[in-house]
Amino acid sequence: GENVEQHPSTLSVQEGDSAVIKCTYSDSASNYFPWYKQELGKGPQLIIDIRSNVGEKKDQRIAVTLNKTAKHFSLHITETQPEDSAVYFCAASEVDSSYKLIFGSGTRLLVRP
Amino acid sequence: DTGVSQDPRHKITKRGQNVTFRCDPISEHNRLYWYRQTLGQGPEFLTYFQNEAQLEKSRLLSDRFSAERPKGSFSTLEIQRTEQGDSAMYLCASSPTGDEQYFGPGTRLTVT
Repeated sequence: GENVEQHPSTLSVQEGDSAVIKCTYSDSASNYFPWYKQELGKGPQLIIDIRSNVGEKKDQRIAVTLNKTAKHFSLHITETQPEDSAVYFCAASEVDSSYKLIFGSGTRLLVRP
Repeated sequence: DTGVSQDPRHKITKRGQNVTFRCDPISEHNRLYWYRQTLGQGPEFLTYFQNEAQLEKSRLLSDRFSAERPKGSFSTLEIQRTEQGDSAMYLCASSPTGDEQYFGPGTRLTVT
């Protein structure tokens, strides 16, 4: 089955700097890759996603890149703000009948003011 | 608020007791998912419904667990004879098409 690895487990950046989180997946059939942000005591919030027919997607300060050949995808956050501090999860899904998500183990991002 | 809601938010129970959680999905989302999240880990898939039909169950879902979605709207997840290892956050997500899953706030279960 699918396995998703996520790095780093913790990331500390200065406000205004960029943050990059990387994930690799094992199943070449996976073709949908969402990113979630989870704040303390809350459920995961979908922040951006990418499908396998696209190499890059941007939404304001966040972007995701996908390299299907290497089976890895990354989240880029520019001009980080203290409110970006949270745990970020990547996930992968095969677009079969269920779309069940296989999650990475998470990255705790701390943005220092 | 038109997001996914879950009830209760917190549940403390003694080992051996039964518990039931409820999830109300976003209106008109025909897909509903249950995940379990333990401390410091990403959510793990438990089961999924399309309308009222339960179409897939994870091996994590032992015979002590049962989920229903009787009218294709809200769903319940029941755990019988709870064990300490069941302590976790139980998350519900809904989706109109399968991708773009929107999560609720979760139910945190503590088994003492």
